[in-house]
Amino acid sequence: NAGVTQTPKFRVLKTGQSMTLLCAQDMNHEYMYWYRQDPGMGLRLIHYSVGEGTTAKGEVPDGYNVSRLKKQNFLLGLESAAPSQTSVYFCASMISPLVETQYFGPGTRLLVL
Amino acid sequence: DAKTTQPPSMDCAEGRAANLPCNHSTISGNEYVYWYRQIHSQGPQYIIHGLKNNETNEMASLIITEDRKSSTLILPHATLRDTAVYYCIVRVPWKDSSYKLIFGSGTRLLVRP
Repeated sequence: NAGVTQTPKFRVLKTGQSMTLLCAQDMNHEYMYWYRQDPGMGLRLIHYSVGEGTTAKGEVPDGYNVSRLKKQNFLLGLESAAPSQTSVYFCASMISPLVETQYFGPGTRLLVL
Repeated sequence: DAKTTQPPSMDCAEGRAANLPCNHSTISGNEYVYWYRQIHSQGPQYIIHGLKNNETNEMASLIITEDRKSSTLILPHATLRDTAVYYCIVRVPWKDSSYKLIFGSGTRLLVRP
């Protein structure tokens, strides 16, 4: 059981470039989340999904898109990266609100120049 | 919409209890208190959560005041591996029967040999 995995671990982009971050979980969880963490701060919710084929906006969704084509994968896309998107990105999954615990991946460090 | 206030840093001696305080004076009746920790920029790790009653598990104890305006996380016998940033979090209802975790700035706990 790998839990929640994220690829890549680290990436450097130039302003205006695009990329996709992949989150995968092998726990058959319904709910998946994308957060960003800026230096010295807690995590903020970007987008989330309550099941395969569904996505919804979180607190800070601007500049990001997501897709959940398969239950085990949740993709976060940056269409035109900006320096303000330099951050550490964490994915999390949860079986259901009844179980209440989110399990986090190891994170992806993104630097936008 | 910061919901929690924590001291920025604390330290304790190895083998002693670590008591981490948190203020959440604006918490609502249906909002849970969660604690996660983050070790050296890894993904956050769930510790414990509660609503009104004190809770205990294999990792820690959570003491919530009767008015629910503050709580304390207790690590009964701190080890060097408990050195981490500890986040006191309020879980608030969100859309689609989900919820979001509102992170504060966290307390950096240093366990001294």
